[in-house]
Amino acid sequence: GDSVTQMEGPVTLSEEAFLTINCTYTATGYPSLFWYVQYPGEGLQLLLKATKADDKGSNKGFEATYRKETTSFHLEKGSVQVSDSAVYFCALEGAGSYQLTFGKGTKLSVIP
Amino acid sequence: DGGITQSPKYLFRKEGQNVTLSCEQNLNHDAMYWYRQDPGQGLRLIYYSQIVNDFQKGDIAEGYSVSREKKESFPLTVTSAQKNPTAFYLCASGGFEAFFGQGTRLTVV
Repeated sequence: GDSVTQMEGPVTLSEEAFLTINCTYTATGYPSLFWYVQYPGEGLQLLLKATKADDKGSNKGFEATYRKETTSFHLEKGSVQVSDSAVYFCALEGAGSYQLTFGKGTKLSVIP
Repeated sequence: DGGITQSPKYLFRKEGQNVTLSCEQNLNHDAMYWYRQDPGQGLRLIYYSQIVNDFQKGDIAEGYSVSREKKESFPLTVTSAQKNPTAFYLCASGGFEAFFGQGTRLTVV
């Protein structure tokens, strides 16, 4: 079945540092890929998405590129802020499916 | 404002009792979902519904039940058969892009 593997946290960075959170997936066909963010005590919010190979999703300074050849969708941000502290989830939606498969989440803490 | 609303935010249950979590959406979505979130385990799918009066089990449906009598509503009942119900429960709706509620934290006391 479909699966998502993302780097384990927690990740602690200083403000303005570069962020990478790795995500790889296993799926048949051509899934859609997502990054969701969860702030403390809240539900998940969609951060960015990509629907086909080589697509780049971007939002709020975060970027991720759909790499079919390496089955990856790594999340990056050039300069993190304290307000980016949250849990980040990589997810996929299989082709022809409306179900999301999530990674286990990566907790990011940004310190001033 | 369109959105998805879960209630209550916090819920306490005595062992052996059933409890129902509410989920309402006004986004006109056909599909709705219930997930359970435990520390370090990500989100696991409990039940989902793609249309009114129809729903399917997810990966961890044992000890849970749902109904879908209206498009807007998808309540989840945590039954006494659920051995470890303490968790954070998230409801979502949508097709290609999922919208999540704020969650309900259930604690068994």
